[in-house]
Amino acid sequence: QLQLQESGPGLVKPSETLSLICSISGDSITSRDHYWGWIRQPPGKGLEWIGSIFYSGNTYYNPSLKSRVTMSVDTPKNQFSLRLSSVTAADAGFYYCAVKRGYRYGVGGPFDFWGQGTLVSVSS
Amino acid sequence: DIQVTQSPSTLSASVGDRVTITCRASQSIGDYLAWYQQKPGKAPKLLIYKASNLESGVPSSFSGSGSGTEFTLTISGLQPDDFATYYCQQYDTHSTFGQGTKVEIK
Repeated sequence: QLQLQESGPGLVKPSETLSLICSISGDSITSRDHYWGWIRQPPGKGLEWIGSIFYSGNTYYNPSLKSRVTMSVDTPKNQFSLRLSSVTAADAGFYYCAVKRGYRYGVGGPFDFWGQGTLVSVSS
Repeated sequence: DIQVTQSPSTLSASVGDRVTITCRASQSIGDYLAWYQQKPGKAPKLLIYKASNLESGVPSSFSGSGSGTEFTLTISGLQPDDFATYYCQQYDTHSTFGQGTKVEIK
């Protein structure tokens, strides 16, 4: 049974880099019909797609975040990661990892399975 | 960037009601639109993809329609478990979510 688990520091200082990992169990990050994504949500607000990655390392980023985002795959550990640099208070919120499975069109969705999310605060 | 506008932002309804939520894209996205349901403290759940395709395990009381720039999500016969926030998402070019519609008890 597929499980996605986000992990990382719950508190990041302004101007520093937010780093999160999504650990996958019950599936393989090398599945050729899967795209793995990160989506975030400020508390009480809406959803924002951050980016998606294919097992080969091909990445697709939200243009509004592209200059600060790096996603990568760790195949041996069956994980993928997110790095967001130069964070501000506007980057605080819940961060979800998710997956689009099957040969459906799209790299930014539709995400048919999600992790439970992790809350990141930004404060000095 | 493709903008997605969802309406209404809040909808008050009773059990058994038929409710409709609208999503408009700033340019044509074909039928590359998904709908999600989110409950407090939980991750979103995919309901519909490609505008009108019901995700496996989702009740048939949920339906989606539309193409191009206008889309709708309809819940026919609102159940207590359906009170939640709903989001649309375009995935034609990158991805953009609508602002969300909270369906609350009247």
